[in-house]
Amino acid sequence: DAGVIQSPRHEVTEMGQEVTLRCKPISGHNSLFWYRQTMMRGLELLIYFNNNVPIDDSGMPEDRFSAKMPNASFSTLKIQPSEPRDSAVYFCASSPMTGWTGELFFGEGSRLTVL
Amino acid sequence: RKEVEQDPGPFNVPEGATVAFNCTYSNSASQSFFWYRQDCRKEPKLLMSVYSSGNEDGRFTAQLNRASQYISLLIRDSKLSDSATYLCVVNWANNNDMRFGAGTRLTVKP
Repeated sequence: DAGVIQSPRHEVTEMGQEVTLRCKPISGHNSLFWYRQTMMRGLELLIYFNNNVPIDDSGMPEDRFSAKMPNASFSTLKIQPSEPRDSAVYFCASSPMTGWTGELFFGEGSRLTVL
Repeated sequence: RKEVEQDPGPFNVPEGATVAFNCTYSNSASQSFFWYRQDCRKEPKLLMSVYSSGNEDGRFTAQLNRASQYISLLIRDSKLSDSATYLCVVNWANNNDMRFGAGTRLTVKP
């Protein structure tokens, strides 16, 4: 079975450029999460969706960050304009809502470097 | 106070040693607790859930103390393959909002 699929795996961009990260959750999972991981701050929850609806975006750092989930099989996290402090690994995770055991299924992450 | 706090380590132990990790959380309303494992440059994966009465999975034992808002993970007879970062995870406010500790790094040496 396919797991959570993220793209791109690596991105290097220059300050001021727009960055779009993509995620395809596991089929049948109706909760989707975006996390950011840095050495300094660890794994931070940015936003999560239930049934494609954003539930809590209080972790989104600022207006430069936006996330969408237009359908059950696709989500994007956009940073515009990007800054060097946005450099991090961005993880997408999914889980079922019903019968949930507490397990989040993570993608392999998108490693972003902003120069 | 951080939401989920862990000793960052690193813990460097010899094979066969017993090692324990601790974690505290700030939200007394939290209902579910977990330990995840993250290998270097990989994604986190669920290691085990933590139940109120404590639970064991092979060499791994998890404990919960709700009164002190404290979770622990004990690894017995550690193996080289146990080398990883162990993340304490708390389900925030009984929904699927999961908050992660910064992780404790373990290196098991021959």
